[in-house]
Amino acid sequence: RKEVEQDPGPFNVPEGATVAFNCTYSNSASQSFFWYRQDCRKEPKLLMSVYSSGNEDGRFTAQLNRASQYISLLIRDSKLSDSATYLCVVRVTQGGKLIFGQGTELSVKP
Amino acid sequence: DTGVSQNPRHKITKRGQNVTFRCDPISEHNRLYWYRQTLGQGPEFLTYFQNEAQLEKSRLLSDRFSAERPKGSFSTLEIQRTEQGDSAMYLCASSLGQRNTEAFFGQGTRLTVV
Repeated sequence: RKEVEQDPGPFNVPEGATVAFNCTYSNSASQSFFWYRQDCRKEPKLLMSVYSSGNEDGRFTAQLNRASQYISLLIRDSKLSDSATYLCVVRVTQGGKLIFGQGTELSVKP
Repeated sequence: DTGVSQNPRHKITKRGQNVTFRCDPISEHNRLYWYRQTLGQGPEFLTYFQNEAQLEKSRLLSDRFSAERPKGSFSTLEIQRTEQGDSAMYLCASSLGQRNTEAFFGQGTRLTVV
């Protein structure tokens, strides 16, 4: 079983749609959680950290369920510029390695 | 530019040759990470350093791979006797060694082994 698993992609949605990505992780001792965004042939960049209480940044909402070892990302009112690969990332120890899921590709169409 | 810098950006090499990549992290970051990414996959962890100490190496890192960070600043990743399966994007990232801080990635070195 992979340490971090994500929904298989690609997700093809129209502009304005709401899309949700799910992710599960295997190590219950994991301490930190992130969503990174990666554009084609670019480096990954932090989209948002994920906190136990859930957090929101504009159109983006991240949720964490420690009991189920489940992380989600919700994107509302999708824009063309949201087209990218979204990577679920887990860190088990403070300052330790980041463990990435395989990524979910999102394509937002006009 | 004060971000993570990687050199070279692209490298084409013949099978069996040795290659070395360099990463310059953000100056105050004490943690430095190397990852490998192939098409359609997320980055795979290779190794990481706290200052000059190599704290963890992945089982993916065969004996042909070695990484150093001699003065706790820049790092090098060397691949000896390259194989076609080594073709990938090699990403370096750095972070402050504190809980829940993000890692910043360089633009990567794309290796093609022919």
